[in-house]
Amino acid sequence: GEDVEQSLFLSVREGDSSVINCTYTDSSSTYLYWYKQEPGAGLQLLTYIFSNMDMKQDQRLTVLLNKKDKHLSLRIADTQTGDSAIYFCADGASKIIFGSGTRLSIRP
Amino acid sequence: DAMVIQNPRYQVTQFGKPVTLSCSQTLNHNVMYWYQQKSSQAPKLLFHYYDKDFNNEADTPDNFQSRRPNTSFCFLDIRSPGLGDAAMYLCATSRGGERDFGSGTQLSVL
Repeated sequence: GEDVEQSLFLSVREGDSSVINCTYTDSSSTYLYWYKQEPGAGLQLLTYIFSNMDMKQDQRLTVLLNKKDKHLSLRIADTQTGDSAIYFCADGASKIIFGSGTRLSIRP
Repeated sequence: DAMVIQNPRYQVTQFGKPVTLSCSQTLNHNVMYWYQQKSSQAPKLLFHYYDKDFNNEADTPDNFQSRRPNTSFCFLDIRSPGLGDAAMYLCATSRGGERDFGSGTQLSVL
């Protein structure tokens, strides 16, 4: 079945870049998503990329897609304390399947 | 303005007492999903409707049912809630690449 995998934790220093990685198995994925979830809150769509794209940039966010390797990454430039959250990668081929989430923590 | 609306935001029920969670949308999206999310875990897909076609995930317990009377509304029925069913329940809609989530209903089971 479809599977989406992420590392569980990432710690970065404030002002540095954060890179969160994700791998997926469904080769028919049309869209891939990044969601942010803060404690006790719902899912906030950060960005998504079409499968025929290699890169998408949106202000501090850069998404890279390697379709051959089924690898997706999210780069957050100039990471701030407000970026502390869990980040979910999601595969949206026919239904949305989420990775386990990466908890991003920011060091002063 | 919220476009996927879940009510209530918090729901408390008793062990074994049926409960219904509701979701409505103003987007006219043809697909609607229900997810269960337990603390510090990924949202887990329970089922989804593609238009009127119901699609159940293989590991969704029989205790969970869903209804979609029209395009705008979808309900999650938990027939006999157990303590393990306490979780955040998220509704989502989609059409093509558009994906929208509601703010969720936090269910507590006493």
